[in-house]
Amino acid sequence: AQSVTQPDIHITVSEGASLELRCNYSYGATPYLFWYVQSPGQGLQLLLKYFSGDTLVQGIKGFEAEFKRSQSSFNLRKPSVHWSDAAEYFCAVANYGGSQGNLIFGKGTKLSVKP
Amino acid sequence: DTGVSQNPRHKITKRGQNVTFRCDPISEHNRLYWYRQTLGQGPEFLTYFQNEAQLEKSRLLSDRFSAERPKGSFSTLEIQRTEQGDSAMYLCASSLKVAGGHEQYFGPGTRLTVT
Repeated sequence: AQSVTQPDIHITVSEGASLELRCNYSYGATPYLFWYVQSPGQGLQLLLKYFSGDTLVQGIKGFEAEFKRSQSSFNLRKPSVHWSDAAEYFCAVANYGGSQGNLIFGKGTKLSVKP
Repeated sequence: DTGVSQNPRHKITKRGQNVTFRCDPISEHNRLYWYRQTLGQGPEFLTYFQNEAQLEKSRLLSDRFSAERPKGSFSTLEIQRTEQGDSAMYLCASSLKVAGGHEQYFGPGTRLTVT
C-alpha cells in the first residue's frame, strides 16, 4: 500500500542554522511528491512539488527538496532557517492512478526555531 | 485567484446534531477534495469530485457523511448525527486536473468540536 513516513516528529534548530526534514515514501509507480507547511490552526500551503525531470526542486520561502528514487526519499532542506519557519511540515505522495485522486500524507514534522 | 475558502471556520455542536460545511474552490478548478485532520496527524482523504461527479470515497466516509458539488462549483460536506469522534479539522482542496501531475491547493479548514 502507498504510504509516507516522516521519521522525525519534532525538530528544533537554531535560527540561521541549516535544516533537513526527512521523508520516505512507498509507491509503486513514478511518484508525484509534495511538501506542505501548516501554521497553527491554518490550512496547508504548498512549498514545492516534484513531478518529473530535475531531481532537485526549488520552492517558495527558500526551501528545496531532492528526489532520490533509489532511497525512496524526498527530503526538504533550507540553508538558513528563520524564526518564521516554525510550523508543521507535511510530505505527501499523490495517488493519481486510475480514478483515484487523493494525496497520502505523512504524520508531519513539527519545527521549532530557537533564537 | 482568491484561493480556496471554507465556511464556517469553527463549529461547535452537540452530539447527535447535524452540521454542514461549505467549500468554495479556486475558480475554474475542476477537482475538489475533502480531507479530515485530527491532532498530531496528517490530513486523511475523505472524498473528491471532478466537476459535479463524486469519483472516489474513502472508507473513512461513513454513512453519516455526505458530500455534494452541485453544478461543479462549491461543495458541501454534511455530517449527520455527529459523534465526539467527528471532532477534527475538515480541509477542502481544489486542483486543475491536467495530464500528468497536478497540485492541490488547500483552504483554511473548518474546525469541528462535538460536545
